[in-house]
Amino acid sequence: GAVVSQHPSRVICKSGTSVKIECRSLDFQATTMFWYRQFPKQSLMLMATSNEGSKATYEQGVEKDKFLINHASLTLSTLTVTSAHPEDSSFYICSAPRRGTSTDTQYFGPGTRLTVL
Amino acid sequence: QKEVEQNSGPLSVPEGAIASLNCTYSDRGSQSFFWYRQYSGKSPELIMSIYSNGDKEDGRFTAQLNKASQYVSLLIRDSQPSDSATYLCAVGDNTDKLIFGTGTRLQVFP
Repeated sequence: GAVVSQHPSRVICKSGTSVKIECRSLDFQATTMFWYRQFPKQSLMLMATSNEGSKATYEQGVEKDKFLINHASLTLSTLTVTSAHPEDSSFYICSAPRRGTSTDTQYFGPGTRLTVL
Repeated sequence: QKEVEQNSGPLSVPEGAIASLNCTYSDRGSQSFFWYRQYSGKSPELIMSIYSNGDKEDGRFTAQLNKASQYVSLLIRDSQPSDSATYLCAVGDNTDKLIFGTGTRLQVFP
């Protein structure tokens, strides 16, 4: 079964509005979560690393004031796309590493498809 | 700049054949290697992980890692039409961060 959930799965909004996407680890704690963006026919591009209890780490070229990340608890990270524009329309996917006895496995949420009109 | 490279394909194989997917990476410090399968419009699904040189088998899937050549591959035996998807190679270092390749689109035809 799913170990990472995302909500909403699909959202359509008007240009200029803000959209919040939630990412939850369902049966494990995640001090770190990752946010990716994927445009059609392209690979996943890491946007930022969400850190529980501290500021997110953004990848080069990602505007931290536009993509607000809050890691409020050990099972929840949120990504808010502020003042969304049509070029922000994309597939947003979060992931969380699940700690194993010797190795870690990163699980992905089902993704959120954002369409900005 | 850490890079992971894959042939974008499409790789077309007949049903029942072996599909071979390849990936190279630039960072010699990479420690973990993953293959994800992604169906159109869906998020990636973990297929295999491999951490040491050699082969690792799981059902119809075999991952092969050669750190000296900075090369990792995925073999799919007895390919089925349901295996048609984009296969993403991902490489990690000593953090949890993964770098993804652009993916190889596999088409298995009946």
